[in-house]
Amino acid sequence: GDSVTQMEGPVTLSEEAFLTINCTYTATGYPSLFWYVQYPGEGLQLLLKATKADDKGSNKGFEATYRKETTSFHLEKGSVQVSDSAVYFCALFNQAGTALIFGKGTTLSVSS
Amino acid sequence: DVKVTQSSRYLVKRTGEKVFLECVQDMDHENMFWYRQDPGLGLRLIYFSYDVKMKEKGDIPEGYSVSREKKERFSLILESASTNQTSMYLCASSLELALGTYEQYFGPGTRLTVT
Repeated sequence: GDSVTQMEGPVTLSEEAFLTINCTYTATGYPSLFWYVQYPGEGLQLLLKATKADDKGSNKGFEATYRKETTSFHLEKGSVQVSDSAVYFCALFNQAGTALIFGKGTTLSVSS
Repeated sequence: DVKVTQSSRYLVKRTGEKVFLECVQDMDHENMFWYRQDPGLGLRLIYFSYDVKMKEKGDIPEGYSVSREKKERFSLILESASTNQTSMYLCASSLELALGTYEQYFGPGTRLTVT
């Protein structure tokens, strides 16, 4: 079945460092791909999305490109801030298109 | 502004109790979802509903049931709570704009502890 694999955390960075969180997927066809973020004590928020191959989603300085050839959707940010500390989830729609399948989440901790 | 609310942020119940978790959305969304979130496991779908009185099992429906009597409200029911149901429960809703492209909006979560 469909699945999402993302890198294990926690990821610990200093402010202004470059961030990459890897995400690969297994799915039939070409599902829409998402990154969600969960700040401490809050629910999940959509960070960015891409609906077809080679699409680049971007928001708040974060970017991710839908790579069909490598079945990947890696999240990147050029310069992280303390306020980016959160849990990040990669997700895709299941084959039926009815619900999201999430990765296990990657905790990011940014220190000043 | 889009809003999904859950009845409690924290809940403590005893083994064997019947537990109701309530979720309300004010966006007139057709679809509503219940997930549980556990460390190292991410989010797992329990049940979802695409219309009033309609429900579909997700990946881990055992031990749970749901109710959707009104479009804006989706309830998760633990018929007889057990300690392995201690978890964070997240509700979400979405408007189906086109197959595969809709965004899900999440509530803040209910942290349930079963003792």
